[in-house]
Parts: sequence; structure tokens; C-alpha cells
Amino acid sequence: TQLLEQSPQFLSIQEGENLTVYCNSSSVFSSLQWYRQEPGEGPVLLVTVVTGGEVKKLKRLTFQFGDARKDSSLHITAAQPGDTGLYLCAGITGTASKLTFGTGTRLQVTL
Amino acid sequence: GAGVSQSPSNKVTEKGKDVELRCDPISGHTALYWYRQSLGQGLEFLIYFQGNSAPDKSGLPSDRFSAERTGGSVSTLTIQRTQQEDSAVYLCASSPRAQIGNEQFFGPGTRLTVL
Repeated sequence: TQLLEQSPQFLSIQEGENLTVYCNSSSVFSSLQWYRQEPGEGPVLLVTVVTGGEVKKLKRLTFQFGDARKDSSLHITAAQPGDTGLYLCAGITGTASKLTFGTGTRLQVTL
Repeated sequence: GAGVSQSPSNKVTEKGKDVELRCDPISGHTALYWYRQSLGQGLEFLIYFQGNSAPDKSGLPSDRFSAERTGGSVSTLTIQRTQQEDSAVYLCASSPRAQIGNEQFFGPGTRLTVL
């Protein structure tokens, strides 16, 4: 069974702080996605990373895929209350795009 | 445009009863997925449909769980003889086609509570 462990599980920070969320596995994935989920809604895709070592930036969010394609990180600069939510990494193997989701990191950003 | 819709949004049932959960994917999407999410944690894959191919049922936790997709569109997830451990949010997602890196579009989920 492929497992994706995320850390930390919970994070409560103040507006303007920086943070990093980690997603680790012992398995190799062909690609990895990050989603954000708000209460009462389904996850929404933030980014897909495909190449080992790849770095993608989305405004204040920076995503990195590990060289061995077993781990990833999400860094948020100057967090804002609108960043609050559950962040999920999801690994993809094979051709069916079946996602293996991480354990989740719940982020709360307060004023 | 219309996204993925699921019904009901909430379902409360008694242990031992059967339940049916419905998913309407985005029109034209050939891939459809069911996931289960417990207590705001990560999602657990249940089943996947792609076009007319045989579904991938490898994530179904027991034979009490089944799903079908009629006409390549609407899907129903059925849980027979529900147990308290079945309580969770059941999420459906669709994708234009099953291709590595494709975005999956999720519905809002059905929150199932088994008393």
C-alpha cells in the first residue's frame, strides 16, 4: 500500500508568516498534485508537478517535487486568512490517474 | 458551467440499512471516481470508471460496497447493511479522460452518518 505522509497535521499561524508543508512517501510517483479543500466543498487542484526536482510557483505558493519523485513540499510566503483550508498532496501512478492522497495538513491563518 | 453535483448532501441512516449516493459528473467527462474522506482527513480511493471499460474496484473496502455508472454519465454508489464505520464524506470526481496529470473535478460530497 502506498502511503503519503504529510507534516505537520495542523498549523495555526498569523497573517504574514511563512510556512512549509511536507509530503513524503517511500514510493515513487509519476507525478504529484496539491489540492486545497475548504469546509463543505471538494478539493480543488492547485498544481501538478511531473519532473523530479521541478519547482512551480503560483503567486505566494511554491511547490517542489523531490529529485527522486517520492516527496514534495508546499511553501507559502506571507500567509493570508484566505489561505486557510485543508491542504492535500496526491500522488499519481500508472496510467489511470488514480490518486493516492496524503493525510492532509489543516492550515489556519489568523489576523 | 455546471460542476460535479452530488445528492443527497447529507444522509443519516440506521445501522443495517442500505443507502444510495448519486453523482452527476461534468458533461463530457469520461472518467469518474469515488473517494471516501473521514473526519476531514485525506481521501481514500474507492472505485474508478473510464468510458466503457471495466471499472477499477480495487479500493472498495468490502462487498457491501458497489457502484455503477449508467450510460457513461450518472453514477450511484450503494452501501448495503451500513455500519457505523461507514460514516464519512463520500466524494465524487470526474475528469475529461484518464490521463496522467489530468485535473480531477470534485463534487461537494455526501456526508453519511450511520447511527
